Amino acid sequence: QKEVEQDPGPLSVPEGAIVSLNCTYSNSAFQYFMWYRQYSRKGPELLMYTYSSGNKEDGRFTAQVDKSSKYISLFIRDSQPSDSATYLCAMTSNTGNQFYFGTGTSLTVIP
Amino acid sequence: DTGVSQNPRHKITKRGQNVTFRCDPISEHNRLYWYRQTLGQGPEFLTYFQNEAQLEKSRLLSDRFSAERPKGSFSTLEIQRTEQGDSAMYLCASKSGQINEKLFFGSGTQLSVL
Repeated sequence: QKEVEQDPGPLSVPEGAIVSLNCTYSNSAFQYFMWYRQYSRKGPELLMYTYSSGNKEDGRFTAQVDKSSKYISLFIRDSQPSDSATYLCAMTSNTGNQFYFGTGTSLTVIP
Repeated sequence: DTGVSQNPRHKITKRGQNVTFRCDPISEHNRLYWYRQTLGQGPEFLTYFQNEAQLEKSRLLSDRFSAERPKGSFSTLEIQRTEQGDSAMYLCASKSGQINEKLFFGSGTQLSVL
């Protein structure tokens, strides 16, 4: 079983839709959770960073962590064509030495 | 803070040749990571440094791969006797030594082995 599971999609939505991206994980030691956005042939760009369970909002983006279910989500409101990218979830434990990534979900927002 | 810088951005080589990539991390970051990413996959851990010390290497890492960070600043990743299966995006990332600090990536080096 992989440490982090992420539905690869692809996901295609109309402009203005609410997008929900999800990851599950198996290691209860994970404490820090991240979402990265990656455009084609570019490096991942950090979008959201959360610690432990709870919600964090930044503009149109909301990250949720449910440690009891080992489940994290990223919501994108009022999606824009510029949001079209691959979204990677990542997580690490309290030691912060190793980072574990999902396979990424490819998102296309259609104008 | 100019971000993580990687060179070259693209590299095309013939099978059997050696290649070397360079990564310049964010200046105050003492941790530096190398990852490999193929199409449709997440970044796969290769190795990481704390200052000049290489603390961990992936068990999947072939002995054709070697990384250095001689002065605890920039790092190089060398692949000897390249194979077509080495074709991938090679990503460098850096963070400070604090546990809760964020990991920042460079733009990557896209390697194509013909």
